[in-house]
Amino acid sequence: SQKIEQNSEALNIQEGKTATLTCNYTNYSPAYLQWYRQDPGRGPVFLLLIRENEKEKRKERLKVTFDTTLKQSLFHITASQPADSATYLCALPRTYNNNDMRFGAGTRLTVKP
Amino acid sequence: DGGITQSPKYLFRKEGQNVTLSCEQNLNHDAMYWYRQDPGQGLRLIYYSQIVNDFQKGDIAEGYSVSREKKESFPLTVTSAQKNPTAFYLCATKSPPNRGKSYGYTFGSGTRLTVV
Repeated sequence: SQKIEQNSEALNIQEGKTATLTCNYTNYSPAYLQWYRQDPGRGPVFLLLIRENEKEKRKERLKVTFDTTLKQSLFHITASQPADSATYLCALPRTYNNNDMRFGAGTRLTVKP
Repeated sequence: DGGITQSPKYLFRKEGQNVTLSCEQNLNHDAMYWYRQDPGQGLRLIYYSQIVNDFQKGDIAEGYSVSREKKESFPLTVTSAQKNPTAFYLCATKSPPNRGKSYGYTFGSGTRLTVV
């Protein structure tokens, strides 16, 4: 079955720097991939979706890349702020293009002032 | 405001007891999902429903049951057969694609279940 690995359980960076989070997967390459933000004790919040034919997607200070050859997605937050501190989850469909998602364990990002 | 309401926020269960977690949505979404989250692990799918009166088992359905009698409601029962139920439970919906644009899940704020 599809395995999702989010490198580094925790990432600490200085305010103003760019945070880069990694999501690697095995087996099939999905039609799309999603990123979510989760704050402690809350449900995840959808951030971005990137399709297999899109190399890069941007939304304000967020940038996501999707490399189907490497089976990897990178999630960047530029000019990071303490308010960006949260856990970030990547998610893939359970089969190539269906609506049922499988989630990674997440990376906990801490941005220090 | 449209959204998902999960209740209660905290729930304590005694050994051998069945408990039901509520999930209500007013987003008019057909698809609803139940996930379980444990520390250091990704969300794991328990059950999902694509339409009223129909539901499917996810990856870890044993010890759980659901019903989908109304579009707005998808309650999850944690039965006594679930040996390790202490976890954070999340309900989600997904809107259908609109004009070729897909959206992510909308999650509720979760129920934290503890066995006492």
